[in-house]
Amino acid sequence: AQRVTQPEKLLSVFKGAPVELKCNYSYSGSPELFWYVQYSRQRLQLLLRHISRESIKGFTADLNKGETSFHLKKPFAQEEDSAMYYCALIRSNYQLIWGAGTKLIIKP
Amino acid sequence: EAGVTQFPSHSVIEKGQTVTLRCDPISGHDNLYWYRRVMGKEIKFLLHFVKESKQDESGMPNNRFLAERTGGTYSTLKVQPAELEDSGVYFCASSPRTGTNEQFFGPGTRLTVL
Repeated sequence: AQRVTQPEKLLSVFKGAPVELKCNYSYSGSPELFWYVQYSRQRLQLLLRHISRESIKGFTADLNKGETSFHLKKPFAQEEDSAMYYCALIRSNYQLIWGAGTKLIIKP
Repeated sequence: EAGVTQFPSHSVIEKGQTVTLRCDPISGHDNLYWYRRVMGKEIKFLLHFVKESKQDESGMPNNRFLAERTGGTYSTLKVQPAELEDSGVYFCASSPRTGTNEQFFGPGTRLTVL
């Protein structure tokens, strides 16, 4: 079955601390993975996609096919990073399959 | 450029009533998607239009849900009759025909069925 798992519903860290949001997937074939973010009172927006291999707002994510993971990392958290983060993969028919989301709270 | 818009932002109706949600995609985007997040659960795919054609409606929960995209522009999602379990946030997204798999999301419509 094709599935995305985000094991943490809530993650709370202090400002300046490292952040790692976990994402594991199950997919037969070559997945294309994304991280979407939803800030308070804003719409879902794309944060990262694995094929672009870029860093956005200091976040990076590496696809690890051996561990079937796509964890999102940032070395130094900022208060404005507080948001809901969703990991998703796209199927060949363009359906996005979503994880349950992780609420990230950055404490001052 | 305007993003994806959805109307209404909130809707509160009673069980058995009918509700119609509207989505206006980004101009020129052939692909239009509907997703739903029911309380406490992950976002789930409902269906996908390419222009006015339903490409994939495998996620539609039952025949109380009807989606249309006449003319290939905006789309409507009608729930008739609404049930309590239909409560949730309905998201619409759009993407261009080629070039990217990124889907651009609207703000969502929060539906509450009492």
